[in-house]
Amino acid sequence: SAVISQKPSRDICQRGTSLTIQCQVDSQVTMMFWYRQQPGQSLTLIATANQGSEATYESGFVIDKFPISRPNLTFSTLTVSNMSPEDSSIYLCSVGGGAFWISGELFFGEGSRLTVL
Amino acid sequence: GESVGLHLPTLSVQEGDNSIINCAYSNSASDYFIWYKQESGKGPQFIIDIRSNMDKRQGQRVTVLLNKTVKHLSLQIAATQPGDSAVYFCAEFRGSSNTGKLIFGQGTTLQVKP
Repeated sequence: SAVISQKPSRDICQRGTSLTIQCQVDSQVTMMFWYRQQPGQSLTLIATANQGSEATYESGFVIDKFPISRPNLTFSTLTVSNMSPEDSSIYLCSVGGGAFWISGELFFGEGSRLTVL
Repeated sequence: GESVGLHLPTLSVQEGDNSIINCAYSNSASDYFIWYKQESGKGPQFIIDIRSNMDKRQGQRVTVLLNKTVKHLSLQIAATQPGDSAVYFCAEFRGSSNTGKLIFGQGTTLQVKP
């Protein structure tokens, strides 16, 4: 399986600021996704991070609020812009479609827990 | 909109008993489903998957059942252990293998009593 590293693992942020979360994979992967998990809730897909093109956002998420980069097949960033307390969540990177790809399974990082004051 | 959902938010079972976690989905076109386990402070971990051309698949102590007629999925855990305590999510894969996405249900918390 892929080893996925996310940074930061947690952070406390001030309202109105922005934070960039990094996702590094130890192998090349075709598919990278960003999810949000609010406290006590399920995972909600934010966007698909496409390599070499703009991300594809799900309904309710926009590029101005959650800009995403995907410069190569092993790395992606998600920025949470102009944060408010409602953005306090765990943000998870997930990957699929690499050399380990057997089924449609996605692998997940440990997540980045953001608290906005 | 279409969704994948779970029937019960919390399931409490005695250690050694069997657990059954249910999931209903609404997208009849979906053909691939995965169960994930999420322990506190960690990302989801793959448990077992099933494709729509199957109605049952077994793993180690786990079995997934798929009823396409009523769009229902279940995860059965045999001889539940304290280490099985976690939140369990069903997820529905939509699209092709390299362009699809995974949509998660609401999750069931499994509590195992010693």
